[in-house]
Order: sequence, then C-alpha cells, then structure tokens
Amino acid sequence: LAKTTQPISMDSYEGQEVNITCSHNNIATNDYITWYQQFPSQGPRFIIQGYKTKVTNEVASLFIPADRKSSTLSLPRVSLSDTAVYYCLVGDSAAGNKLTFGGGTRVLVKP
Amino acid sequence: DSGVTQTPKHLITATGQRVTLRCSPRSGDLSVYWYQQSLDQGLQFLIQYYNGEERAKGNILERFSAQQFPDLHSELNLSSLELGDSALYFCASSVAFASGFPSTDTQYFGPGTRLTVL
Repeated sequence: LAKTTQPISMDSYEGQEVNITCSHNNIATNDYITWYQQFPSQGPRFIIQGYKTKVTNEVASLFIPADRKSSTLSLPRVSLSDTAVYYCLVGDSAAGNKLTFGGGTRVLVKP
Repeated sequence: DSGVTQTPKHLITATGQRVTLRCSPRSGDLSVYWYQQSLDQGLQFLIQYYNGEERAKGNILERFSAQQFPDLHSELNLSSLELGDSALYFCASSVAFASGFPSTDTQYFGPGTRLTVL
C-alpha cells in the first residue's frame, strides 16, 4: 500500500521559501501526487498536483524526481497567512484506488 | 467557499446511537468522497462514490455505510457509535472523469461535521 510520510512541523519567517517533502515509497504507476492546505476548523484546500518532474502554479511549485518515491512542495516567499497544515495525497491504484494522506506538516510562519 | 455543503455542522450523541451525515457536492461534480479526521489518526479516506456507485473503499468500518443518491447528494451513516468515532467528518467532491483514477481528481472539501460521542 502507498504509505506517505511527511515532517510533523517546520517553522519559517515571512518572505522565505518553504519546502516540504513527502515520501511515498509505494506509489503506483498511475498515481498522481496532490497537496492540500488546511486551516483550523476548515476542510483541506487544493494547492497543486503533479505526476512527474515539475509543476508550477500561482501559489506553489511541486518537484517530483524521476523515481516518484517522493515529492517536494515549495511555497515561495511565505506570509503569515500561509501558516497552516499541509498534506500530500497519493492514490493507490494497486489497492482498489485507496487514497492515502500523509500525516500533515504544520507550517508556522513567523514575522 | 468550496461549494460543497455538509449538514449538520455539529452533532453530539451517545455511545451506541446511530447518526446520518449529509453532503451536497458542488454543482456538476459526480464524485463524492468521505474522510474522517481525528487527532490520532489524521485524515483517513473512508469511501468514494461516483454517479451513485461505489468507486473506492478505504478504512471504513463495517458499522459505517454510505450511499450517493440520484440527485448526487451523499449520506454517511454511522451506527453503534463508540467514543473513538468522535472526529471531524469531511465530504469532498470532484468532477471525476469516468476513466480516471481518484488520485487524479482535484477534490473540493466541505466545512465538515464535528461528531462528538459521549
């Protein structure tokens, strides 16, 4: 089964770049990697999704190495409002399409 | 606002009872997902429906069941409740193309239902 692991927490300062890595050793061939952001008492919100190499949108970049066993979410120039929990999500097409979230990384952005 | 609605927002009940959580997906979305979020287990995928049919199953207990109705809204039924079932329950929806895999779908999450079992 796809098992995803992330660092529990990380601190940063406003204006810095934050990189969060998710390990998904058993990712299946057809699986995409998706990252979500969650604020307290709210549902997760989509940030970015990718299959391989690099994907960039207006809020983040996602780096996926060739073996796809990990992925790194990059948040450029964070602000206080980026303080949240970030989750990676991987599907497991080898296990009946079971979806597996990582444990989440709590990012604290300090002034 | 994601466009996904969930009712009720809060639910307090006793052990052994049965409750029903309701979810209305975004307009046009055919797929509905249910998740459980607790402090010790994190976000756990329970089940997915696509256009009325079960599509994928996760860590859903036998005491739990779900269905998606013809109007695409979904209900999650939790029975014989235990203290450990206290959690936030999220519903999400996506367009979910018929030939795709769940991991390719961008999911839009509702605000959640907080269930407290006393």
